[in-house]
Amino acid sequence: AQSVTQLGSHVSVSEGALVLLRCNYSSSVPPYLFWYVQYPNQGLQLLLKYTSAATLVKGINGFEAEFKKSETSFHLTKPSAHMSDAAEYFCAVEAGGYQKVTFGTGTKLQVIP
Amino acid sequence: EAGVTQFPSHSVIEKGQTVTLRCDPISGHDNLYWYRRVMGKEIKFLLHFVKESKQDESGMPNNRFLAERTGGTYSTLKVQPAELEDSGVYFCASSQPGTSGINEQFFGPGTRLTVL
Repeated sequence: AQSVTQLGSHVSVSEGALVLLRCNYSSSVPPYLFWYVQYPNQGLQLLLKYTSAATLVKGINGFEAEFKKSETSFHLTKPSAHMSDAAEYFCAVEAGGYQKVTFGTGTKLQVIP
Repeated sequence: EAGVTQFPSHSVIEKGQTVTLRCDPISGHDNLYWYRRVMGKEIKFLLHFVKESKQDESGMPNNRFLAERTGGTYSTLKVQPAELEDSGVYFCASSQPGTSGINEQFFGPGTRLTVL
């Protein structure tokens, strides 16, 4: 069984500041990890995915995430927030074998001008 | 290439009525998933098709929900009769096995269902 915990349902940052969205996972097998983003009135879009090839994963729009097995974490970061980053972000885990994806509760990111 | 499409985008019905949601996956994708997000909560898995077969339906809430995928192409999710707690956003996703072994699921825009 797997689960995902996202710390903070709402995060506010100033434009230009560091974005850090936290995600911890639990999985009985080596997991596949994902970050999805949902912009207002749109569907879910894949930001990045951890495939076990590299612990630091780079995604779209300047986001990246680091897989830390010892901490069971997969936090999402972006060095400088932009107004267009305002959205809801979901961390997700899949145990492999084309099974279901288990999502965290989501974190709404607000970017303050 | 067209992405995953869902119809309708919004549906407002009264308690006790029937609603059918449709999902068209990316062409050629064998895996099709349904998820639901009830307001304020996490996105939860409902079921998984591989072609026309139900691979995993452990997330289906109760027998008022019926999913089909005839012919292994598009899928429908019927709720009959609808209850207030069925309100939420229903997402569909599809994927296709690749050489990487990663199950990258592509999501549709969702159907927002409101039961009054």
